[in-house]
Amino acid sequence: DIQMTQSPSTLSASVGDRVTITCRASQSISSWLAWYQQKPGQAPKLLIYKASSLQSGVPSRFSGSGSGTEFTLTISSLQPDDFATYYCQQYSSYPWTFGQGTKVEIK
Amino acid sequence: QVQLVQSGAEVKEPGASVKVSCKASGYTFTNYDMYWVRQAPRQRLECMGWINAGNGNTRYSQKFQGRVTITSDTSATTAYMELSSLTSEDTAVYYCARYTSGFDYWGQGTLVTVSS
Repeated sequence: DIQMTQSPSTLSASVGDRVTITCRASQSISSWLAWYQQKPGQAPKLLIYKASSLQSGVPSRFSGSGSGTEFTLTISSLQPDDFATYYCQQYSSYPWTFGQGTKVEIK
Repeated sequence: QVQLVQSGAEVKEPGASVKVSCKASGYTFTNYDMYWVRQAPRQRLECMGWINAGNGNTRYSQKFQGRVTITSDTSATTAYMELSSLTSEDTAVYYCARYTSGFDYWGQGTLVTVSS
């Protein structure tokens, strides 16, 4: 199985900050990567697919980049609604696998 | 609008089986694959398997092979996931999720608690 590793595991930030989360794959996954946001008690929500495509309805402050084995999710200006846990997920090789999550906390 | 509505929480004893349903609406059910993903406490999200709702073909992750069965009823636009031989390690929230490029719609989740 392809291993997905996110860093950092926890991130403390303030409203208005630029935030970057990194996801690394144990082997090349081309651009077959998605990013999700999850809030407590809720299902994950798709933010980005195919590494850099913004899902319909998702604010443009979210962006994704990368290919191969290294990817980033950037929030250009953190908003109060963005404090949540973020997961990357590869869908290059089955079984699809997820990162361990990055919790974005209020500083 | 697309909705995936799952059945309610379950409490099961070790060794038992559980069957969770996922009622889809707002789209053509047979045009998409449906996955089952679980989230155990302090564990990362895991894909258990999926079904091609159009032809009924399934594929399961090796970890769950032999214990999980995913089925669908196209007339009811409902997918099902049955997990057998439950242990405390199976205590988790189970989600159905529609697959396109990534999982674009998710059910609300079903908490399955395995306890004696």
